[in-house]
Amino acid sequence: GENVEQHPSTLSVQEGDSAVIKCTYSDSASNYFPWYKQELGKGPQLIIDIRSNVGEKKDQRIAVTLNKTAKHFSLHITETQPEDSAVYFCAASDPGRRALTFGSGTRLQVQP
Amino acid sequence: NAGVMQNPRHLVRRRGQEARLRCSPMKGHSHVYWYRQLPEEGLKFMVYLQKENIIDESGMPKERFSAEFPKEGPSILRIQQVVRGDSAAYFCASSPAPGQYEQYFGPGTRLTVT
Repeated sequence: GENVEQHPSTLSVQEGDSAVIKCTYSDSASNYFPWYKQELGKGPQLIIDIRSNVGEKKDQRIAVTLNKTAKHFSLHITETQPEDSAVYFCAASDPGRRALTFGSGTRLQVQP
Repeated sequence: NAGVMQNPRHLVRRRGQEARLRCSPMKGHSHVYWYRQLPEEGLKFMVYLQKENIIDESGMPKERFSAEFPKEGPSILRIQQVVRGDSAAYFCASSPAPGQYEQYFGPGTRLTVT
């Protein structure tokens, strides 16, 4: 089955800096890669996703890149703000299963 | 537009009791997924359902756990004879239709087994 690894587990940045979180996956059949933000006591919130026919996608301060050959994808947050502080999860799924396989999460702390 | 709704938000059960967790998908969504999150861990897939059908239950423990999504009403995740190891946050997600991959999560039910 699919295995998703996520790094780093914790990340502390100064407000205004960029943050990068990286994930690798094992199943070459996976073709959908979402990113979720989870705040304390809440459910995961879908913030951006990418499909395997696209190499990069951007939405304001958030971007995701995908390298299918190397089987890794990354989340980039620019101009970080204190409200970006949360746990971020990457995930992957293949068209046959639909179930998401999640990474172990990255706790991002943005210092004001 | 109401999002995915789950209730109860918090549930306390003694060992051996039954727990019933409810999930109402977003309006227009016909696919429901259940995930479990242990403290300080990522989410683990449990089961994927459409109305009146279990599509994929490969992540469900073989015993004590069951799920349904009836024609009318919410999806139910049922845990019989709960044990302390069942203590976790249980999240439901919904997606619109086949071919649309986005899954939108509810706020979760936090189950505590005493």
